[in-house]
Amino acid sequence: EPEVTQTPSHQVTQMGQEVILRCVPISNHLYFYWYRQILGQKVEFLVSFYNNEISEKSEIFDDQFSVERPDGSNFTLKIRSTKLEDSAMYFCASTQRGTEETQYFGPGTRLLVL
Amino acid sequence: DAKTTQPNSMESNEEEPVHLPCNHSTISGTDYIHWYRQLPSQGPEYVIHGLTSNVNNRMASLAIAEDRKSSTLILHRATLRDAAVYYCILRDNYAGNMLTFGGGTRLMVKP
Repeated sequence: EPEVTQTPSHQVTQMGQEVILRCVPISNHLYFYWYRQILGQKVEFLVSFYNNEISEKSEIFDDQFSVERPDGSNFTLKIRSTKLEDSAMYFCASTQRGTEETQYFGPGTRLLVL
Repeated sequence: DAKTTQPNSMESNEEEPVHLPCNHSTISGTDYIHWYRQLPSQGPEYVIHGLTSNVNNRMASLAIAEDRKSSTLILHRATLRDAAVYYCILRDNYAGNMLTFGGGTRLMVKP
């Protein structure tokens, strides 16, 4: 069964550094998402992406964050200058179409900012 | 998305049925009821969804009240692998694609 993959599985970085989290969505999917989950808290929506542009974003997704689909397979989340509070699990998801569709989640990247 | 209310935790014995309730008294006519689960240290996983009629798939059944103000996810025979946090989520087809997760119900399955 096709699945969403994410790399790296774990990343440790120093505060103020840039990080790029990578996702490979399911190959025929057109809608891509990033969510995050701070330890012990709820899963929170960050951003959705379709047709090479952001379609929705939450208040969390400020100017420090950006997303990109640099080629036909990868979908990336960049945090320009990491803060301690960015430490969380980051999940990528994809759907073939938009609303009502099942979202398929990746296994996540655990980001730790020191 | 409209708000849902779920118990924080539930316990079940292995191989017994489990009924996970969800209240959504402010549901609108265009809200679909989705259930996802999150196994320990994994990403959320789709379980089932429905609009008005009861739904069955290989993982579970979804029973939706006639007034749609509540629903119940039914696992017919719980296994240890079903221990997870189960999220009941309402999605309006006309209000965007994002999922709004609540706290969910942590299901513990005893051998």
